[in-house]
This record gives sequence, structure tokens and C-alpha cells, in this order.
Amino acid sequence: KAGVTQTPRYLIKTRGQQVTLSCSPISGHRSVSWYQQTPGQGLQFLFEYFSETQRNKGNFPGRFSGRQFSNSRSEMNVSTLELGDSALYLCASSLDSAEEDTQYFGPGTRLTVL
Amino acid sequence: AQSVTQLGSHVSVSEGALVLLRCNYSSSVPPYLFWYVQYPNQGLQLLLKYTSAATLVKGINGFEAEFKKSETSFHLTKPSAHMSDAAEYFCAVSDRVKLVFGAGTILRVKS
Repeated sequence: KAGVTQTPRYLIKTRGQQVTLSCSPISGHRSVSWYQQTPGQGLQFLFEYFSETQRNKGNFPGRFSGRQFSNSRSEMNVSTLELGDSALYLCASSLDSAEEDTQYFGPGTRLTVL
Repeated sequence: AQSVTQLGSHVSVSEGALVLLRCNYSSSVPPYLFWYVQYPNQGLQLLLKYTSAATLVKGINGFEAEFKKSETSFHLTKPSAHMSDAAEYFCAVSDRVKLVFGAGTILRVKS
């Protein structure tokens, strides 16, 4: 099976702009989670989508949003970009976010905000 | 709340030597624990997971980890380090909603 794919792999934006990142989960996986990775804060959970609904959310401002489509593909959007949004954004998919399910990660999108 | 502490942000070993990366967890429910590895400019790759079956868990690339409830530990080991093992390793605990990660340990392998 193909793994989790994320596009684009690299992005450069300027402050105030908005950005959309895309994630295609492993075939058959219905849950998609997003994480932000920075040197200072490490890996932090953004949100999780299941069956086109946001099921869980981390402690991030409302500028961070996402959605999931009927084919389980997911996008996340960051509006009014700030310098501190520069990070590696990782998408992970699982069969279901129930107890024992394992999350499999994509290669990430490296976002640089200038 | 679930949390993970990884002891040592950097570990250096010689090629062929034992690798030991330490992880201690805190969990209010029986924990599901994971080790992931991240190579430069890549995502996270699952090494192994513990989900309340055998306490000694074997993973990929010769790695294994032992769950010790009394010590709340889940240390990662490999008998003989290889140059290709140089990477950053993350221990994580599931809180049934998301993964909570440790700060990571960078493993350096010296020739």
C-alpha cells in the first residue's frame, strides 16, 4: 500500500498570507491527524478528522483550521501567517482513532514564513 | 494527563555498541506506547508499539523495547548500532485521542 502523502513538501510564505496543506491518507484509513513540529515546542497535536468531521482539537488558535473530504483526504489551512508558524507540519492516518490504532505519518510539509 | 520524558537529548555510541534510549511515561490509563524514528527532512517512521500484550516488544531494524510498569519506563534498545541508525528518536504515549510525544533523542553513531 502507498503510504501517507503530503503536498507540497516545501512552502515559503510571507507574514499575513494564508496557506493550505494537503494530506492523502493510506488507502482505507478514515482518521487523519495533524501535528506541528518546531525546535522549541516539539511535536504538538493540531486536530483530528474522522468521517469529514473534526473529532478532536489541540490548543491552537482559530487561524489553524482543517477539513476532510469524503475520500478521507484532508487539508489544513493557516490564515494570517505569523513568523512563529514556521514549522514542519505532519499528517498521520489511522484506520480509526480508536484505542489501539497506530498512526502512520507522512513526510511532512516544511513551511517557512518570512 | 499523559506525558512522556525522554532522558538525554543527545546520545552518542560507537558503531557496534549497544544502543539504549530512555523513555519514562505518565498515564492515568493503561498506556499505549510507541517509538518513532525521524531521519533528516523526513516524517516519522514507526519502530514499534506496546498495546498491553507482551512486555518485550520487537520492532523493525533490530530495535526492541521493554515495558516496565513498576518503573513506568519503555526504554528502546538495539544490541549493535549501525551507522544508518543515526537519527532522532521519539517516544510517544496515546491518550486515546492523540499521541503525546517526548522531546526526542538524537542518536549519533561514531565509526
